[in-house]
Amino acid sequence: KQEVTQIPAALSVPEGENLVLNCSFTDSAIYNLQWFRQDPGKGLTSLLLIQSSQREQTSGRLNASLDKSSGRSTLYIAASQPGDSATYLCAERGGSNYKLTFGKGTLLTVNP
Amino acid sequence: SQTIHQWPATLVQPVGSPLSLECTVEGTSNPNLYWYRQAAGRGLQLLFYSVGIGQISSEVPQNLSASRPQDRQFILSSKKLLLSDSGFYLCAWSGGGGGYTFGSGTRLTVV
Repeated sequence: KQEVTQIPAALSVPEGENLVLNCSFTDSAIYNLQWFRQDPGKGLTSLLLIQSSQREQTSGRLNASLDKSSGRSTLYIAASQPGDSATYLCAERGGSNYKLTFGKGTLLTVNP
Repeated sequence: SQTIHQWPATLVQPVGSPLSLECTVEGTSNPNLYWYRQAAGRGLQLLFYSVGIGQISSEVPQNLSASRPQDRQFILSSKKLLLSDSGFYLCAWSGGGGGYTFGSGTRLTVV
């Protein structure tokens, strides 16, 4: 059974700080990894998708990396803003099926 | 561009009543479709997925069923709801690129 773990479970930072969210996975045959954002009571918004052949993806202030050998991914958020406050979820898709395995998320609070 | 629609946004149903949640995708053909549930304090759990019309795979035994009557339509149903069916239900699709796109979700409360 594949597992995805996210650390920390919650994080509170002052506005403007750079921060890193961590995700680890057990699937050695990973197909891709996707980072999502979820606001309270809302659906999931895709932030970044990293294919297994890629090392990183960038979108604006966000950068996600993927290290298959160590089973880790990080989401780097530069110059955080209060609007970044949300739960961030990482999800891994294995090569043998269509299923996404989710971590339990990191609840990020950016204080003004 | 592709869009995914899910409705209703909120639903309160009595125990024992039937359920029908609908999800449609626009702007793509032959998508893979998924139903996930997010229970309070728990992670996202895959309930069903479909790779084509009439093709449904169930991930966990439960009180729910799914159907795909058309290429871009996915329906989640129950004949008799239980209290434990309460949760946040999310529909999603994926295509050739492998990334998932989620709908806005349905908050179901069974009373």
